[in-house]
Amino acid sequence: GAVVSQHPSRVICKSGTSVKIECRSLDFQATTMFWYRQFPKQSLMLMATSNEGSKATYEQGVEKDKFLINHASLTLSTLTVTSAHPEDSSFYICSARDYWTGGRGFDTQYFGPGTRLTVL
Amino acid sequence: EDQVTQSPEALRLQEGESSSLNCSYTVSGLRGLFWYRQDPGKGPEFLFTLYSAGEEKEKERLKATLTKKESFLHITAPKPEDSATYLCAVRGTTQGGSEKLVFGKGTKLTVNP
Repeated sequence: GAVVSQHPSRVICKSGTSVKIECRSLDFQATTMFWYRQFPKQSLMLMATSNEGSKATYEQGVEKDKFLINHASLTLSTLTVTSAHPEDSSFYICSARDYWTGGRGFDTQYFGPGTRLTVL
Repeated sequence: EDQVTQSPEALRLQEGESSSLNCSYTVSGLRGLFWYRQDPGKGPEFLFTLYSAGEEKEKERLKATLTKKESFLHITAPKPEDSATYLCAVRGTTQGGSEKLVFGKGTKLTVNP
């Protein structure tokens, strides 16, 4: 199957600093990418949907000025956590959609391995 | 509003003991039902996409089926390495053209040797 990579896999930072997480689709072009957050023993929480070349759509309750998303190319999306605080510590996972509407069509969404953010 | 309910929340099996996981859904215009496997501390791993009632897909010991109201993930003769949380999600046709997946809470499967 297709591969989605995330970097870094783990980051520890001091309160008040900004952290950037990169998400890449390695062998397909992704018009649409998604960013999720996951708390321990809970399911995925969608934070935002990003489409290449346009502004991200944020879910209700997610601060767009705190979680900056840039989908600059068909293979790269970045999430920047600005002025991070301990409550931002979490597991962040990106996902890229691979789909085709022609013929029989297909729709698959692949996930990255996740980034563990710890804010001290 | 699209909804996904998975059952049971947790399932313990002995190695070789076949069983099924259930995913019930309500959605406006199903565009796809997705199954994922997630190991602790990792991102979900894609297993299957099903598009229409009656469709079935298989991969090794796993078989996914779909009806108009639910999907089953059948696990045949499971092994300890099949232990994971299995997630079900749907993509529907929503107003505003939302492309997001709606996830269930998952079924945590433990297979004992």
